[in-house]
Parts: sequence; structure tokens; C-alpha cells
Amino acid sequence: DAGVIQSPRHEVTEMGQEVTLRCKPISGHNSLFWYRQTMMRGLELLIYFNNNVPIDDSGMPEDRFSAKMPNASFSTLKIQPSEPRDSAVYFCASRRDYQGTQYFGPGTRLLVL
Amino acid sequence: GDSVTQMEGPVTLSEEAFLTINCTYTATGYPSLFWYVQYPGEGLQLLLKATKADDKGSNKGFEATYRKETTSFHLEKGSVQVSDSAVYFCALLNAGGTSYGKLTFGQGTILTVHP
Repeated sequence: DAGVIQSPRHEVTEMGQEVTLRCKPISGHNSLFWYRQTMMRGLELLIYFNNNVPIDDSGMPEDRFSAKMPNASFSTLKIQPSEPRDSAVYFCASRRDYQGTQYFGPGTRLLVL
Repeated sequence: GDSVTQMEGPVTLSEEAFLTINCTYTATGYPSLFWYVQYPGEGLQLLLKATKADDKGSNKGFEATYRKETTSFHLEKGSVQVSDSAVYFCALLNAGGTSYGKLTFGQGTILTVHP
């Protein structure tokens, strides 16, 4: 199994630009999570989907952030417009079912200048 | 709501020393408990888990016992190696309450092991 795949692995952009992060969950997993990790705030859950439906987006920081899951094998997290304070490592994770282990991707390291 | 509290870090040890990282939790019902490890530049990966009281999870020489009476899940290893240097996260998964379906993580503890 390839594991959770994220792209790009690194992204450097300028303030105001749109950023799109991509995630391919493990095949057969029906829950998908987006996290953000920074030194200051630690690991934060942004949003999670179950069967492609957003269940809880209370962690999405503001309207500049949006996430979609058009099918079971793909999800995006978009930031528009990006700001320097969005600089962080963004992780995607997936899980087969409620009792299953949550598997994390390698992360996307985002730097907004 | 649910919460997880880990001991303050960072923790610095010499190789072959004994490791304990404390973890306590607050949750309603009967949560499952986990330890995740994050090596530099990587995502989190499951180290061990326990799903009910008195269960012991173990992996790679690490152990943790689910203690419901003290609401704790302390991580231990008898002899650490340099390769154990990483960030360790305690987490819980609760079927009930407002945390349904979501892992609740502690703040993480940085472990550095010197030769």
C-alpha cells in the first residue's frame, strides 16, 4: 500500500496568492482529516470528512480556507488569499472506519512570504 | 470536552536510559488511547494503542498501560536509543460527546537521545 499521498511536499508562495494542497487517502478508507502543525500552536485539526462529506470544519481558521472531497480518493485544501501566518506543515490523514488506525501523510511544508 | 495533557518537554536522555513520558486525559465514557511518534521531517505514525482499561499497548520496546482509575496512559521504554529521538504524542478517541470520530492530541513531547 502506498500510504497517504500528499502533494506538493514543499510550497513557497507570496502573500496574496492562492495555494492548493492535495491529498490521496489510502484506498478503502472512508474518513479523511486535514491538520496544521506549527511550533506555536502545535497540531490542529482543521476539518474532517466521512464518506466524502464534511463532518466537522470547526477548526478551519477563517473563510480564506476551504476544503473539498469530490470523491473517495482525492481531497484538496485551498487557501485564498494566503498570508504569512499560514506558514506551517499541513498533514492529511485517513482511516478505514471509526475503530481503525489513523494514517498520516508526509505533510506539505508551506511557506508564505 | 475531551482533553489530553502530556508532560512538559523537551526530554533529553543518554542512550540506554529509562524513558517515561506522562500522559493524562479527561474524557467521558470509555475512550481508546494512543501514542503516536513523529520523526524529523515525517508525518505522525501510530506507535501503540489500548482500547480498554488495563490493556497494555506495546511496540518497538515501548509500552503504555491504560489506567482508568488515574486516567493515565504513560509511555515507557527500558533502554532508549539515539534512533528514538522524535516527538511523541498522546491521543484519545472517544465515541461520545463532542469529540466523536476525532482524535484529541496532547501537545507533544520532544525526546532527544544522546550517544
